[in-house]
Amino acid sequence: LAKTTQPISMDSYEGQEVNITCSHNNIATNDYITWYQQFPSQGPRFIIQGYKTKVTNEVASLFIPADRKSSTLSLPRVSLSDTAVYYCLVGVRSGNTGKLIFGQGTTLQVKP
Amino acid sequence: EAGVTQFPSHSVIEKGQTVTLRCDPISGHDNLYWYRRVMGKEIKFLLHFVKESKQDESGMPNNRFLAERTGGTYSTLKVQPAELEDSGVYFCASSQHRDSAAEQYFGPGTRLTVT
Repeated sequence: LAKTTQPISMDSYEGQEVNITCSHNNIATNDYITWYQQFPSQGPRFIIQGYKTKVTNEVASLFIPADRKSSTLSLPRVSLSDTAVYYCLVGVRSGNTGKLIFGQGTTLQVKP
Repeated sequence: EAGVTQFPSHSVIEKGQTVTLRCDPISGHDNLYWYRRVMGKEIKFLLHFVKESKQDESGMPNNRFLAERTGGTYSTLKVQPAELEDSGVYFCASSQHRDSAAEQYFGPGTRLTVT
């Protein structure tokens, strides 16, 4: 599974847009890019997944350039409740490998 | 729909004692995973069940850890005897599909403290 690199921490203010970029230089052709969110005292929660270009759901957008060596999670107009750790993971879509490999994640602190 | 539940939420035991953690996955999810985060480290995979069978137990740290999933429903993770370095948060997750790109639903975790 491809290794990912993302900033350890980020600060933002309520109402701002937050972009967290993740590098995955050795991503494989059949790898998907997945982001999880973890609040304190909770387990990680799936928020978005994509393969290429742009994906948007009710929580976030995921931008993936053509070379797929990086991806950017975009959180529009963050609130205090978006304070959490955000993990970027890269994994294979099919096969017997079910395990997720977590990095350090990015701790996002949203300030009032 | 009920999510993944774990019991207990917190356990404090002495070194050398035994502790059993339980995970109830989402109904109908054949895939069940155990992960843990020890202090200051990243969340690490422990093992993966498909129904009652161990699909991948490459992350189990040593033979003091025993995971079971009899009947393919809930799972238990026993630590015997517990050591200080076993302290951390143990997460369980379940999914419908077995590949690593499939959405996994995590429980709230069990915080284990070994003194």
